Amino acid sequence: DAGVIQSPRHEVTEMGQEVTLRCKPISGHNSLFWYRQTMMRGLELLIYFNNNVPIDDSGMPEDRFSAKMPNASFSTLKIQPSEPRDSAVYFCASSWAGAGNQPQHFGDGTRLSIL
Amino acid sequence: DAKTTQPNSMESNEEEPVHLPCNHSTISGTDYIHWYRQLPSQGPEYVIHGLTSNVNNRMASLAIAEDRKSSTLILHRATLRDAAVYYCILRGRMDSSYKLIFGSGTRLLVRP
Repeated sequence: DAGVIQSPRHEVTEMGQEVTLRCKPISGHNSLFWYRQTMMRGLELLIYFNNNVPIDDSGMPEDRFSAKMPNASFSTLKIQPSEPRDSAVYFCASSWAGAGNQPQHFGDGTRLSIL
Repeated sequence: DAKTTQPNSMESNEEEPVHLPCNHSTISGTDYIHWYRQLPSQGPEYVIHGLTSNVNNRMASLAIAEDRKSSTLILHRATLRDAAVYYCILRGRMDSSYKLIFGSGTRLLVRP
């Protein structure tokens, strides 16, 4: 089975531009998570969805960040406008939340560089 | 969320066992102990989890202290591919959020 698929793998853009990161979760999973990883702050949860509904977005840094999950097989994380401090690796993960403590499965991430 | 404490780094020789410790003195009775690892340039990968009893799977073993205030991830024969950052994470059994709170983890270096 395919794992969590993220695109693009790498993105380099200039500050002020809109950035859209994409994620396809594992089929059958009903929870989806967006994380960000930097050297300074490590891995941080930004937002998570359950059954396509955003449940907790307390980790989203500011209004420039938004995430959507229009259906069970696709999610986007958008940054508009982007800033150099947004440079990081962004991970998407999915899991089955029907029973407690199911593992999360991570994609390989999108390495974002804002110049 | 309950916190965990892990050494910043550890070293091992290839094909030798590795014991990665984790302290979680404030663990509650309903917290599960999860371990994830992150290989270079990859996303985190689930390794194992347990509640009270020791657990084994194809990747590793998890030894949980009787008072549950500490646990040890055991890699029975380290390979070069096991070089990664290992994260010990507590998750509440009744936690409907299913969030993972990552600490700084232990960076494992495996010498050939």
